[in-house]
Amino acid sequence: GAVVSQHPSWVICKSGTSVKIECRSLDFQATTMFWYRQFPKQSLMLMATSNEGSKATYEQGVEKDKFLINHASLTLSTLTVTSAHPEDSSFYICSARKTKGTSHYEQYFGPGTRLTVT
Amino acid sequence: QQQVKQSPQSLIVQKGGISIINCAYENTAFDYFPWYQQFPGKGPALLIAIRPDVSEKKEGRFTISFNKSAKQFSLHIMDSQPGESATYFCAANNYGQNFVFGPGTRLSVLP
Repeated sequence: GAVVSQHPSWVICKSGTSVKIECRSLDFQATTMFWYRQFPKQSLMLMATSNEGSKATYEQGVEKDKFLINHASLTLSTLTVTSAHPEDSSFYICSARKTKGTSHYEQYFGPGTRLTVT
Repeated sequence: QQQVKQSPQSLIVQKGGISIINCAYENTAFDYFPWYQQFPGKGPALLIAIRPDVSEKKEGRFTISFNKSAKQFSLHIMDSQPGESATYFCAANNYGQNFVFGPGTRLSVLP
C-alpha cells in the first residue's frame, strides 16, 4: 500500500497564531514530500517541495518565512503556518513520493487539512 | 509551456453513460500522465496513469487514450456511476520534476 495521513484534518485558529500540520507516510519511506494548497473549486497549487534532511524548495510567490516546512525523517514532514491570517484559510494537502519502488513518478496524497483562520 | 489544459470544466452524464475528459500539454519533456479523482474535502486519489510509449491503458472501466503527436490525452469512464461524481484532475510530469495539474473537471453522474 501507499497511505499518507495528515493531522489534523481540520483546524480553526485565531489570526496571529501559528498552526502546525503533520504529513506522514504510513507504510513507505518518502525522501520527497510536497505541500499543496487548494482553494474552493480550484486546482492544486504546489507550495513547496521538501526533501528529507535538507531545506525545502519553495515555489515562486510562496513566503518561506510564513510557511515553514520541516522534513526531519523519511516518514514525516510538517508545515507550520506562522502568524496566520484569514487569507491563509484554505485546504492544505501533502503528498509523498516513494523512496524505493517500481516508479519514481507516483505521488500519494494525504486526505488534506482544512485550515480556517478567524 | 508548463501548463496543462483540461476540458470540459464541468460534465453531466447519466448513470451508465460514458464520461470523457480531455487534457492537452505543451512540454514534450513530460513522460508521465496520471489522472486523479477528488471528492469534496478529501485529497486526490490516483486513478490511472500512462507513459507516452503506449497509446492506451485500460483498468476496469477507466481508460486513458494518449496521442503523443497531438500532445493530448483523455480519460474515459465507461458505465459511469453516481458514486463517481467528483472532480477529476489530469496531471503531467517528467522524471524528477514536479507535477503540473490541470484545472479540474467536475463530473456529475445523474442516477
